[in-house]
Amino acid sequence: EVQLVESGGGLVQPGGSLRLSCAASGVTVSSNYMSWVRQAPGKGLEWVSIIYSGGSTDYADSVKGRFTISRDSSKNTLYLQMSSLRAEDTAVYYCARHSSGWDLAFDYWGQGTLVTVSS
Amino acid sequence: DIQMTQSPSSLSASVGDRVTITCRASQSISRYLNWYQRKPGKAPKVLIYAASSLQSGVPSRFSGSGSGTDFTLTISSLQPEDFATYYCQQSYSTPYTFGQGTKLEIK
Repeated sequence: EVQLVESGGGLVQPGGSLRLSCAASGVTVSSNYMSWVRQAPGKGLEWVSIIYSGGSTDYADSVKGRFTISRDSSKNTLYLQMSSLRAEDTAVYYCARHSSGWDLAFDYWGQGTLVTVSS
Repeated sequence: DIQMTQSPSSLSASVGDRVTITCRASQSISRYLNWYQRKPGKAPKVLIYAASSLQSGVPSRFSGSGSGTDFTLTISSLQPEDFATYYCQQSYSTPYTFGQGTKLEIK
């Protein structure tokens, strides 16, 4: 059974940093395309970042230069390092696995971790 | 960026009704279109991938169709557990974008 468990969320001041983790079981993070998706309060879903199985990465323009996605194969864990945080980064952050098919749908999701950026 | 526009944004329906939600992409995305169901406090769940393929374990009352720019999600006979918010999402190119959601409520 695939399980994705996020952690690391919390309250942080504007301009601060936070690192989110997504511990995986039943799936090998380094062998899959993995993404972070967020949902701000009262808003829709927003894709944030992807790391491909080969290690290359991509980001939404809204976080480019501020967020870094990475993984640790030995821990089978996905990370999102967030810096220069803004109020508009307040959201529940989900890690998600992309389907191994050409469709690339998000077929497994974690339960989410809440990040609140406020002074 | 590819914009995804869903309609309607909300919908009231009764158990047993047939419901259709539409999703339009701002440019052709072939069949790179996925549908998710979202219930409060839970992670999204994929229902339909590649425009019309039913995800394993999803009831057959859910179906998807379309290609290019226009897509639909149909629920053939609404059940009480189907009242939720539904999102379309394109996986054609990054940034992967979602529709704004359709909230399906009990009439």
